[in-house]
Amino acid sequence: GQQVMQIPQYQHVQEGEDFTTYCNSSTTLSNIQWYKQRPGGHPVFLIQLVKSGEVKKQKRLTFQFGEAKKNSSLHITATQTTDVGTYFCAGPPGGNAGNMLTFGGGTRLMVKP
Amino acid sequence: ETGVTQSPTHLIKTRGQQVTLRCSSQSGHNTVSWYQQALGQGPQFIFQYYREEENGRGNFPPRFSGLQFPNYSSELNVNALELDDSALYLCASSRTSGRAGDTQYFGPGTRLTVL
Repeated sequence: GQQVMQIPQYQHVQEGEDFTTYCNSSTTLSNIQWYKQRPGGHPVFLIQLVKSGEVKKQKRLTFQFGEAKKNSSLHITATQTTDVGTYFCAGPPGGNAGNMLTFGGGTRLMVKP
Repeated sequence: ETGVTQSPTHLIKTRGQQVTLRCSSQSGHNTVSWYQQALGQGPQFIFQYYREEENGRGNFPPRFSGLQFPNYSSELNVNALELDDSALYLCASSRTSGRAGDTQYFGPGTRLTVL
């Protein structure tokens, strides 16, 4: 079955440093979605990328979807303590336009003030 | 706030018991998906309901079952509880339009502990 891997599993940064998490799928994805989960909270939708090579920005966050639609990345510039949480990528397998998402294991971001 | 609600918030059961978790989807949404999230892991897809019928299922045994009602709210039932069923159970609602990747909105989850 489809597998989605994320690295790193954990990342400690000093406030103001940049952060990147990488996501790789064993199969082609029709789209990739990113979620943030704060400690004790639930996943909150951040963004969806659909097109091969797509890049989207949300303030300090930059999301990329690979050309082969099998990998993605999230980059945060100048982290803040409010960025603390676990970032998950997720996607349905290629050809499946539904929402039966396979999630990666997540990258837990910790920011030291 | 997503408008997706789940009940109860927390639940403690013993092995072998049965449990029912509930989810009210966001207004206008016709699809509900259920996920199991063990501590420190990503959510795992259990199944999805669309217009009251199961629309897809992940790698979970038949003792995990569900329902969706005409108002699109949903229940997750787990029979013969096992210790490994201890997890956060999340429901997510979306409006399936047939386009790729309808956005899912997660509820706050039900934390189930099996002793």
